[in-house]
Amino acid sequence: GEDVEQSLFLSVREGDSSVINCTYTDSSSTYLYWYKQEPGAGLQLLTYIFSNMDMKQDQRLTVLLNKKDKHLSLRIADTQTGDSAIYFCADPRYNNNDMRFGAGTRLTVKP
Amino acid sequence: DAGITQSPRHKVTETGTPVTLRCHQTENHRYMYWYRQDPGHGLRLIHYSYGVKDTDKGEVSDGYSVSRSKTEDFLLTLESATSSQTSVYFCAIRSSGDEQYFGPGTRLTVT
Repeated sequence: GEDVEQSLFLSVREGDSSVINCTYTDSSSTYLYWYKQEPGAGLQLLTYIFSNMDMKQDQRLTVLLNKKDKHLSLRIADTQTGDSAIYFCADPRYNNNDMRFGAGTRLTVKP
Repeated sequence: DAGITQSPRHKVTETGTPVTLRCHQTENHRYMYWYRQDPGHGLRLIHYSYGVKDTDKGEVSDGYSVSRSKTEDFLLTLESATSSQTSVYFCAIRSSGDEQYFGPGTRLTVT
């Protein structure tokens, strides 16, 4: 299978929580990353989590890491229309020079 | 903003012509990367550089070459463009904290 896998689409109502899931195969990475891409723009680093953590909270964002299952998730609380974008999970692997990205999850927020 | 610019931002070229894309950074970062983004594939690494004149191949390097004669500039060359190289190309740098930050992208169309 692919190194990093994500579902391609997620649609939520404004004000609801969004949960974007990711699975990865390499277990040697020190960090795992979430990037956000708005239409016509580059990737913006959203947040990251150290591999020795289970959870990281940053305002409306919560990252959960299950190392045993190699599963990463990004929860966005109180989702707003401005959160509509493509979200990428990224695994830098063992030396940070072989970053693998998921295909991206397109989040659509409906008013 | 990590001080990364890319030029040109858009280019249309014909099959068989050479194309060079430029990435410029202003903050003296050692590591620079070229990725391509295609629907359903996320971002894939083409080449990277770990210093002036020091480069290495990434996951999808066939048909591409790179050069880095100055710290601030990393050039990506398609010697003879093909339609399969139609894509959006992103340059990135690695910060001192090991995160990667991306430029705004170059949309290349090969007809």
